Amino acid sequence: DAMVIQNPRYQVTQFGKPVTLSCSQTLNHNVMYWYQQKSSQAPKLLFHYYDKDFNNEADTPDNFQSRRPNTSFCFLDIRSPGLGDAAMYLCATVGQPNQPQHFGDGTRLSIL
Amino acid sequence: GQQLNQSPQSMFIQEGEDVSMNCTSSSIFNTWLWYKQEPGEGPVLLIALYKAGELTSNGRLTAQFGITRKDSFLNISASIPSDVGIYFCAGHFSVNKFYFGSGTKLNVKP
Repeated sequence: DAMVIQNPRYQVTQFGKPVTLSCSQTLNHNVMYWYQQKSSQAPKLLFHYYDKDFNNEADTPDNFQSRRPNTSFCFLDIRSPGLGDAAMYLCATVGQPNQPQHFGDGTRLSIL
Repeated sequence: GQQLNQSPQSMFIQEGEDVSMNCTSSSIFNTWLWYKQEPGEGPVLLIALYKAGELTSNGRLTAQFGITRKDSFLNISASIPSDVGIYFCAGHFSVNKFYFGSGTKLNVKP
């Protein structure tokens, strides 16, 4: 059974129209991550939460925001998507220090 | 940020051949991870390595954590068509951050 669940799997939005991507986990893990991945490239970390503590990467555009209302859920908000934001967005979790990340299947975002 | 150099970038091999790929870093890591990603899916963990010198197998896959803690390799023996995908290494040393290599794209010809 999937333990890190991302919805939707495919999302199409219009240029400039806000969009929210969702991630939920059944693992009760403390840490949740959001990555952006463009075609055949390595995942690029946008930010992560350790419990409620938000950690933004220095080069993450302000256009990207995140919310974690509880342990199980984390959201990625893109306030004004541009064409360059079309990508796969991956959510991942970690439970204990030095343990591997568990990834969801991602949401592929297209911008019209 | 940390740089992980992963090679080769891509490989075209015949079914049944063995495959080797590696990652090097300028920094020491506490954990090395190997993931496989298929099109339209998230990365799936293949092998996790926690100690310098550790050699771990998962079926036809074998990975090692380098003695210097700055490198790791992944071997796939007797490749099959379903091995096709992109393989990523990832390193971790502190503060909940993981650093990814640029990936090795594996193509297997039946």
